[in-house]
Amino acid sequence: DGGITQSPKYLFRKEGQNVTLSCEQNLNHDAMYWYRQDPGQGLRLIYYSQIVNDFQKGDIAEGYSVSREKKESFPLTVTSAQKNPTAFYLCASSSGLAGGKPNEQFFGPGTRLTVL
Amino acid sequence: QKEVEQDPGPLSVPEGAIVSLNCTYSNSAFQYFMWYRQYSRKGPELLMYTYSSGNKEDGRFTAQVDKSSKYISLFIRDSQPSDSATYLCAMSAGLGKLIFGQGTELSVKP
Repeated sequence: DGGITQSPKYLFRKEGQNVTLSCEQNLNHDAMYWYRQDPGQGLRLIYYSQIVNDFQKGDIAEGYSVSREKKESFPLTVTSAQKNPTAFYLCASSSGLAGGKPNEQFFGPGTRLTVL
Repeated sequence: QKEVEQDPGPLSVPEGAIVSLNCTYSNSAFQYFMWYRQYSRKGPELLMYTYSSGNKEDGRFTAQVDKSSKYISLFIRDSQPSDSATYLCAMSAGLGKLIFGQGTELSVKP
């Protein structure tokens, strides 16, 4: 089955620790995205990558880092510099643009991160 | 002012009601409009996708776009308890990035 997997589903972290969230897709999509979701705030874009070995900051990139060494993988590291990391993190992928029109973004099941 | 504003709800309706969900936006560069449905503790899934003014219908769902007023709507006819979810509008100017509304939590009571 094609799809997006995120692991772990739940993650607990002590203050001051870095933590890496995994995102893998087997849809052969070029573009991948990381969003953060807080209650009542919708989805906010953290980082996105349109192609392997390239990525751009989204609207709330401070305190986060990413890498895109393989087409199917886009891990997100939440660093100790992120002041309020407790949130629901969603990874998405798409086949990019087709004639300037953005294609559908498919979402993974999410990772709920709690800082203790 | 946020680029996309969405009534947060929560919205509670009886089964069979017609539901209207709305978003307004300020960026006239937005050309592509989507509605995602998100069940509790799950990832969103695409429900409707439009890129022109007017209506688009898919079963019980109708998406409406009014670019002149910068206003989009999603109508759900004959609502069912299984429609209970959070509905997110999303928009793009065509550069691959989506801007999401805050989401409206809908509850359909049997």
